[in-house]
Amino acid sequence: GIQVEQSPPDLILQEGANSTLRCNFSDSVNNLQWFHQNPWGQLINLFYIPSGTKQNGRLSATTVATERYSLLYISSSQTTDSGVYFCAVVPLGAGGTSYGKLTFGQGTILTVHP
Amino acid sequence: DTAVSQTPKYLVTQMGNDKSIKCEQNLGHDTMYWYKQDSKKFLKIMFSYNNKELIINETVPNRFSPKSPDKAHLNLHINSLELGDSAVYFCASSPGAGGYEQYFGPGTRLTVT
Repeated sequence: GIQVEQSPPDLILQEGANSTLRCNFSDSVNNLQWFHQNPWGQLINLFYIPSGTKQNGRLSATTVATERYSLLYISSSQTTDSGVYFCAVVPLGAGGTSYGKLTFGQGTILTVHP
Repeated sequence: DTAVSQTPKYLVTQMGNDKSIKCEQNLGHDTMYWYKQDSKKFLKIMFSYNNKELIINETVPNRFSPKSPDKAHLNLHINSLELGDSAVYFCASSPGAGGYEQYFGPGTRLTVT
């Protein structure tokens, strides 16, 4: 099956710093999502970005589908950004069909200190 | 106005018991999913239903049985609970089966003692 690798596994920042999280995937995809799992365990949708670039406030994401990677940028980090960031993909199935089977990376644990 | 809701939020039970987790979505989506997050935070799909039809059934013990009474509901019943079943179970939904964005519920933390 498709492999999803995230880096770095852990990241510690001071408030106000910028960071870049990376997601590599091993096959063509027709869905790529970034999630933030907060300290209370909720999975929050950040971006649905199978290709291209999107921005939402201090966060932005870019997916280069032809090179099979995606980047999540966090600028001016805040303590509330702490948590685990997951990248997840749906592989493009045989014949162009798939069943929405999201495969997750192992996550990046982000800690932002005040 | 919760989009995807799950009940209960926490479930503590003893080994050997049978329990159910319920999920409801009010987004009008056709497809619903169950995912399991283990103690190392790894998330993995278990099942998916599209229009009440089972379309994904990963390698899951047959003690786990999903049921979809209608498009808006997907329940998970677990028989003969084991210690290894302790995890957080997430329900999700999407407009269809394929590359659509998936929306997750708040999760149900199951602890088997």
